[in-house]
Amino acid sequence: EVHLVESGGGLVQPGQSLRLSCTTSGFTFGDYAVNWVRQAPGKGLEWVGFIRNKRYGGTTEYAASVKGRFTISRDDSKSIAYVQMNSLKTEDTAVYYCTRYNITWFDYWGQGTLVTVSS
Amino acid sequence: DIQMTQSPSSLSASVGDRVTITCRTSQIINNYLNWYHQKPGKAPKLLIYAASSLQSGVPSRFSGSGSGTDFTLTISSLQPEDFATYYCQQSYSTPLTFGGGTKVEIK
Repeated sequence: EVHLVESGGGLVQPGQSLRLSCTTSGFTFGDYAVNWVRQAPGKGLEWVGFIRNKRYGGTTEYAASVKGRFTISRDDSKSIAYVQMNSLKTEDTAVYYCTRYNITWFDYWGQGTLVTVSS
Repeated sequence: DIQMTQSPSSLSASVGDRVTITCRTSQIINNYLNWYHQKPGKAPKLLIYAASSLQSGVPSRFSGSGSGTDFTLTISSLQPEDFATYYCQQSYSTPLTFGGGTKVEIK
């Protein structure tokens, strides 16, 4: 059974950093791209970025709102994806989900981890 | 960026009703359109991918149609477990974008 579990969320002050992890199981992690999607409290879904699998170069793309501050990476040997979030802003407060990207759709999601950026 | 316009933003319906939600994109995306629903406090769940393909395990009362810029999600007979917020999402180009959501509530 496919599982994705996010961890690493918490309360941080503006300007600080945080790294989220997405630990996966139940599928061949290296065959898939992984996306991060976030949801601010009471708001809709916002795509953060993704990392392609190694077959497609393992390259990354980001939303404009996080580009230059967030970095997505992956460790295929551990079946884990990460998002390093630097220079956090209050508007980055959200539940962060990792999702498996199956061709062009998000077919499995983690349960999410809450990041709160506040002084 | 491709803009996604979902309508209505909310609706009230009764169990057994036929419900239709529409999604319009700001440019042609062929069939790179997916639908999800989300219940409070839970992660979104994939319902329809590639505009009209039913995700495995999703009840057949859900269907999707459309191509180009106009898409529709239909629930043929609303069930109690279908009360949720529904989102469309395009995968034609980055940044990947979502519609604003349609909240389906009990009448």
